[in-house]
Amino acid sequence: AQSVTQLDSQVPVFEEAPVELRCNYSSSVSVYLFWYVQYPNQGLQLLLKYLSGSTLVESINGFEAEFNKSQTSFHLRKPSVHISDTAEYFCAVSVKSGQGAQKLVFGQGTRLTINP
Amino acid sequence: KAGVTQTPRYLIKTRGQQVTLSCSPISGHRSVSWYQQTPGQGLQFLFEYFSETQRNKGNFPGRFSGRQFSNSRSEMNVSTLELGDSALYLCASSVKTGIRDTGELFFGEGSRLTVL
Repeated sequence: AQSVTQLDSQVPVFEEAPVELRCNYSSSVSVYLFWYVQYPNQGLQLLLKYLSGSTLVESINGFEAEFNKSQTSFHLRKPSVHISDTAEYFCAVSVKSGQGAQKLVFGQGTRLTINP
Repeated sequence: KAGVTQTPRYLIKTRGQQVTLSCSPISGHRSVSWYQQTPGQGLQFLFEYFSETQRNKGNFPGRFSGRQFSNSRSEMNVSTLELGDSALYLCASSVKTGIRDTGELFFGEGSRLTVL
């Protein structure tokens, strides 16, 4: 079964420092990959996605992720974080499920805490 | 365009009771998925409905059920509540475009259920 592993459950960093949140997936077929962000007491919001084409994808708020097929990874990076980036981040892979549908399988999440 | 709407946002029940949660998807989205989020288990897939039919089901007991109406609105029901059912229940909708389906989901803010 396809799965997603987020290697760090918590990542504390100082404001304006760079950060990398790691994500590895297991899949033997072509995949669609996603990063979602969850702010306190809210639902999940799509941060960025890899569907095809360029392996480097970017979000509007400065995050980027690189799809690495050989290492089955989709790590999330930001060169300089802000206090407002404090949230929980989820990596997800889309898998084929019954009746031709796609289903998202999520990692356990990484809590990013930004310290001033 | 209005987002995914879930009601109620918060509710408290006691063991043995039942609960019904409601979800209105984004206009035009025909698929509704439900996830349970807990600190210990993370995000777990409950089920997916498409055109009023359950197309996919996660590994949950029969106490968890759902349905979808002709207007794509969905409800999920949990009967005989247990303490372990305390969680954030997230609803997500998607367009589902056949072979172009990527699995991308749009989430609501969730219904937080506390079972006492």
